[in-house]
Amino acid sequence: NAGVMQNPRHLVRRRGQEARLRCSPMKGHSHVYWYRQLPEEGLKFMVYLQKENIIDESGMPKERFSAEFPKEGPSILRIQQVVRGDSAAYFCASSLLESFSGNTIYFGEGSWLTVV
Amino acid sequence: QKEVEQNSGPLSVPEGAIASLNCTYSDRGSQSFFWYRQYSGKSPELIMSIYSNGDKEDGRFTAQLNKASQYVSLLIRDSQPSDSATYLCAVKTRSNTGNQFYFGTGTSLTVIP
Repeated sequence: NAGVMQNPRHLVRRRGQEARLRCSPMKGHSHVYWYRQLPEEGLKFMVYLQKENIIDESGMPKERFSAEFPKEGPSILRIQQVVRGDSAAYFCASSLLESFSGNTIYFGEGSWLTVV
Repeated sequence: QKEVEQNSGPLSVPEGAIASLNCTYSDRGSQSFFWYRQYSGKSPELIMSIYSNGDKEDGRFTAQLNKASQYVSLLIRDSQPSDSATYLCAVKTRSNTGNQFYFGTGTSLTVIP
């Protein structure tokens, strides 16, 4: 039973390039969350998606960042025109369709973005 | 964003001692509470969940919840060097758009052999 799969695990981009991070949720999970973690800092919520819907994007920077979770395929977090401040670990998490309060989220291994 | 507060530490305890980690949250509507452990360079992994007031024990771990005080804690008994990690408190809150999970900044724990 595969867990949450993220790729690439490590990504190096030059300033101004685009970064695309992919996340396949755990089997049977229909909710996806993206978090960013800067060095020595906590997890910051970015966006919460269901299939073909963005539920909450209150944590997403207004420019250059976008996310999608299409009907088929993985969720994608896209960062355009990357800057050095985008260097961070990006974690994807997934959860079941909510049916009781006990459901929690399970994390992928993360994608470490380095902007040079 | 809803607030989840943790003492960032670092917290150091000798091997075999009890480590106590604390967390407060701001949203009284929060329903479920979780503790995650994160080793350096790794992803967070779930270690405990608690939904009702009181204590919940799982092996060497005990989670405590006091909704009136909006306070959650994690006790680690007989601490081991392998427990050295950052511990993240997470709170789940239901909104009109679905469930949302908010994390504290984490408490760094070092268990000294």
